[in-house]
Amino acid sequence: GAVVSQHPSWVICKSGTSVKIECRSLDFQATTMFWYRQFPKQSLMLMATSNEGSKATYEQGVEKDKFLINHASLTLSTLTVTSAHPEDSSFYICSAMPPPGQGAPGGELFFGEGSRLTVL
Amino acid sequence: QKEVEQDPGPLSVPEGAIVSLNCTYSNSAFQYFMWYRQYSRKGPELLMYTYSSGNKEDGRFTAQVDKSSKYISLFIRDSQPSDSATYLCAMSLGGYQKVTFGIGTKLQVIP
Repeated sequence: GAVVSQHPSWVICKSGTSVKIECRSLDFQATTMFWYRQFPKQSLMLMATSNEGSKATYEQGVEKDKFLINHASLTLSTLTVTSAHPEDSSFYICSAMPPPGQGAPGGELFFGEGSRLTVL
Repeated sequence: QKEVEQDPGPLSVPEGAIVSLNCTYSNSAFQYFMWYRQYSRKGPELLMYTYSSGNKEDGRFTAQVDKSSKYISLFIRDSQPSDSATYLCAMSLGGYQKVTFGIGTKLQVIP
């Protein structure tokens, strides 16, 4: 299957600092990537849809100024958690869909390994 | 009412048992149905992918979709300890529409 790489896999930071997480699609060009957040014993919650060359589309209730998303190239999307606080501690997972013709018509998602953020 | 309902478990079975995992959903417009497996502290990996109603088999895994009942299932035959993970159902309208996930069922296969 397709490979999506996410880095770092875990990060610990102090409250008030900013943290950047990278998501790369390694074997296909992803015009669309997705950022999810997962709390323990809860489902994956879509935070935003990242589109190459345009602004991300955020889900209701997600602060776009807090979670900055940049999709500067067809293989890289970044999520920056700005001025992180302990309540931002979570497991952040990115995913990507292969472009039309390369993936399933329903839009199968390939996920990165996830990044565990702990804010002290 | 949640769009997708899934029993979080945990579900414990002995090695070799047949496992049945299920989800119900409320949006009759969903067309594509997926099952993902997620090991602890890892990202989900796609297991099965089906379109509309019917069955799909892949090795020890069988996915079933009953759109009339808005009910999907994943069966695992001859379960192995390595199958111990959380299984998430997911569904979408198709194209590049948002994928909606269930909460995931935690499965433990006991040797």
